[in-house]
Amino acid sequence: RKEVEQDPGPFNVPEGATVAFNCTYSNSASQSFFWYRQDCRKEPKLLMSVYSSGNEDGRFTAQLNRASQYISLLIRDSKLSDSATYLCVVIQRDYGNNRLAFGKGNQVVVIP
Amino acid sequence: EADIYQTPRYLVIGTGKKITLECSQTMGHDKMYWYQQDPGMELHLIHYSYGVNSTEKGDLSSESTVSRIRTEHFPLTLESARPSHTSQYLCASSPRALGTGELFFGEGSRLTVL
Repeated sequence: RKEVEQDPGPFNVPEGATVAFNCTYSNSASQSFFWYRQDCRKEPKLLMSVYSSGNEDGRFTAQLNRASQYISLLIRDSKLSDSATYLCVVIQRDYGNNRLAFGKGNQVVVIP
Repeated sequence: EADIYQTPRYLVIGTGKKITLECSQTMGHDKMYWYQQDPGMELHLIHYSYGVNSTEKGDLSSESTVSRIRTEHFPLTLESARPSHTSQYLCASSPRALGTGELFFGEGSRLTVL
């Protein structure tokens, strides 16, 4: 089983609509969780951290469900510029070192 | 914008050639990483360094090698390129332990081996 699993999509979203997607992780000892954004043929960039209590950054809301081992990202009032792949990133501690595990990403396409 | 640079951005070479992908950062970060990413796939860590003269192999086995003689410079070398090495290589750095989850990535080097 992969450490981090994401449905690659694409998630086709009308402009102005809301889209949400999840990421599941296999290691219950995972410590920290993040969403990165990667535009087509560009490098990933940190979008936001994910806190246990859930957190918002403008139109973006991230949530963590430790019991079911998944995190989610919700985008409200989608803009054309939100079209990108959203990578789920999980930090695990192996043999005293922190290690990042990346998902394949959820591809979001915002349609005019 | 992060100050981390990779060259070349694109490289097409023949089988058997030696190549070096350059990565430099001007942020003074101790920790640097090389990831490999194929289209539509996840990033895989192939090498990392926690400081000068420190290099380690990552999760994904790779025939490449790295060196860290200066803090700002972390080149990756393939002694004899093969078509299976065709991929995108992303260099990244972080200012502190990975607990913050923030990596600064370069724009990537897209390698094609014919």
